[in-house]
Amino acid sequence: NAGVTQTPKFRILKIGQSMTLQCAQDMNHNYMYWYRQDPGMGLKLIYYSVGAGITDKGEVPNGYNVSRSTTEDFPLRLELAAPSQTSVYFCASSFSTGQGNYGYTFGSGTRLTVV
Amino acid sequence: GQQVMQIPQYQHVQEGEDFTTYCNSSTTLSNIQWYKQRPGGHPVFLIQLVKSGEVKKQKRLTFQFGEAKKNSSLHITATQTTDVGTYFCAGPRSSNTGKLIFGQGTTLQVKP
Repeated sequence: NAGVTQTPKFRILKIGQSMTLQCAQDMNHNYMYWYRQDPGMGLKLIYYSVGAGITDKGEVPNGYNVSRSTTEDFPLRLELAAPSQTSVYFCASSFSTGQGNYGYTFGSGTRLTVV
Repeated sequence: GQQVMQIPQYQHVQEGEDFTTYCNSSTTLSNIQWYKQRPGGHPVFLIQLVKSGEVKKQKRLTFQFGEAKKNSSLHITATQTTDVGTYFCAGPRSSNTGKLIFGQGTTLQVKP
C-alpha cells in the first residue's frame, strides 16, 4: 500500500499563477483533508471531504478549491496565488464512522513558495 | 469555539532526561489522538485513547487520557535523539467526529 501520495513535493509559483496539488489514497478511506502548516505553527484545515462528491470548508478555505470525484483522489486548486499561500500543504485521509474516527494518514507534503 | 491547547510550546532536554507534554481541551472529547512530526517530515499517527483514565505505553512513551476526558499527556522516559520532533495532540470536533482539531504542538529538542 502506498498510503497517501502527494505531488508535487516542491513548487515555486509566481504571484497570480494557479496550480493543482494532487492527492491520492489507496486505503479506501472515506474522509480526506487538506491542511496547511506555516513555519513553526500547527495544522490549519483548508477543506475536507466525507466521501466522493461531498466537500466542505475548513478554517482557512479562501483562495482554494477542491473536488472529490472519486474515493481515491482529492486535488486542491490554488487560484491566483498570493505570497500568503506560501506554506507546506498536507493531504490526509482517515476512516470515520458515526461512532468516531481512526487515526489520520498524512501524505509527505507539498512545499509551496509564492514569489 | 472548541479549542485544544498544548504546553509547553518548546522543550529542550539533555539526552537521557524525561519529557512531558500536556494537552487540554475546552470540551469533553470522545477520544484523543497523538501524532509525531519529525523535522521536515509529515505528522505520523502514534496512538488513540478512548476510555476515561486510560493509560497506554509504547516502549518509552506513556500516554494518558484524563478522567474527565478533557486532558491528556505524553511522557517520554530517558529521551533519545530519535525523539526529536513536534508532538501534536488532536481531538474530534463536537460538530463532526470525522474532523480533528489539532493542538499547536510541542517541539522537543534533545541535546546529545
